[in-house]
Amino acid sequence: DAKTTQPTSMDCAEGRAANLPCNHSTISGNEYVYWYRQIHSQGPQYIIHGLKNNETNEMASLIITEDRKSSTLILPHATLRDTAVYYCIVSGRNSGYALNFGKGTSLLVTP
Amino acid sequence: EPEVTQTPSHQVTQMGQEVILRCVPISNHLYFYWYRQILGQKVEFLVSFYNNEISEKSEIFDDQFSVERPDGSNFTLKIRSTKLEDSAMYFCASITERQVNTEAFFGQGTRLTVV
Repeated sequence: DAKTTQPTSMDCAEGRAANLPCNHSTISGNEYVYWYRQIHSQGPQYIIHGLKNNETNEMASLIITEDRKSSTLILPHATLRDTAVYYCIVSGRNSGYALNFGKGTSLLVTP
Repeated sequence: EPEVTQTPSHQVTQMGQEVILRCVPISNHLYFYWYRQILGQKVEFLVSFYNNEISEKSEIFDDQFSVERPDGSNFTLKIRSTKLEDSAMYFCASITERQVNTEAFFGQGTRLTVV
């Protein structure tokens, strides 16, 4: 089973920041936190990943707590096209680098 | 931007028939994966493949399944004798190298319907 816990669903108004939380209290030292999303049964799409420092790219920011037991994905200005299921995944050598998807958070961005 | 290509996009087959799902990973990638997603359920890992052999496989990947890289570009998943419960989206993914800070690229999937 997935080693992460995410809320089942969230809503966000278009143009506002979407903050998606994830708990991964059993993460081990060599595991990274990855975020992927899936738009309506398309193939999962990589968003961002990190080990312990906060990360930012053109799509999102990732905030990881100091104890690494939780993280937050931030979409700074959500658009309607960001409506998707967002998956928080921990992966590393221990899991053979395979991605163990949970049920994710279904984010609905509303006009 | 390079992409993983999967064919066909939709396959309908009769129960008991063999199916082969095809994937063309990104050209310089070395590790290949198959995942499946039954309608309404989560994405599940099936198998990973490197250097012409299976690296890991899940308990879903039983003797009915096999993978092959028959040439330098294609990566295939074969289901020997399909069952109704094999109906799902099948996603192929590839990565450049096997380390933790690597992004996986997924194809758009093949929807397999077993009737």
